[in-house]
Amino acid sequence: EAGVAQSPRYKIIEKRQSVAFWCNPISGHATLYWYQQILGQGPKLLIQFQNNGVVDDSQLPKDRFSAERLKGVDSTLKIQPAKLEDSAVYLCASSRGTSGGPEETQYFGPGTRLLVL
Amino acid sequence: TQLLEQSPQFLSIQEGENLTVYCNSSSVFSSLQWYRQEPGEGPVLLVTVVTGGEVKKLKRLTFQFGDARKDSSLHITAAQPGDTGLYLCAGAGAGGTSYGKLTFGQGTILTVHP
Repeated sequence: EAGVAQSPRYKIIEKRQSVAFWCNPISGHATLYWYQQILGQGPKLLIQFQNNGVVDDSQLPKDRFSAERLKGVDSTLKIQPAKLEDSAVYLCASSRGTSGGPEETQYFGPGTRLLVL
Repeated sequence: TQLLEQSPQFLSIQEGENLTVYCNSSSVFSSLQWYRQEPGEGPVLLVTVVTGGEVKKLKRLTFQFGDARKDSSLHITAAQPGDTGLYLCAGAGAGGTSYGKLTFGQGTILTVHP
């Protein structure tokens, strides 16, 4: 079974530029998560999708971040415009069921490392 | 806001030594998960503990969930260089708007020297 795929793996941009990240979850997984992991910290949930609907986006900075999951499969996360403090690893994860609860194992992708100069 | 404090943040030991990593919070969690993350990769789930007082063993790793479901520990016996990595605990919210949402600790970077 193929794992969660993310691209690009690395991205360097200047502040105020835009950037987009792509995630392809494990086939058949209904729930998809985007996390932000700043160096020296644990991952922080940005947004959770169940199929193509948003379940939780309470920690997504909506003035600059946006995410979509068209057709309930792939997802993109966009930052526009980027700030220096957005430098982090952006992790995508997926889980099988629709409950999105703690009993669901989340499978993480390798992440996209973003550096904002 | 639920917070998880991990300690220590850094651990550098020799092969064969034992170690314990702690994860503490003032909040109650429905379950507690431990992950291991290697450089350039995403976290990989090691174990989920659900019941207060629960102890789970995974080869040389022993995981314990506190009786009050607010804290957990990870103990590694006879550490090996292959155990090197970032260890993360994550608590699943017990109710309300935090139900099921994972809150991660800041992680413990373990280095095991041959």
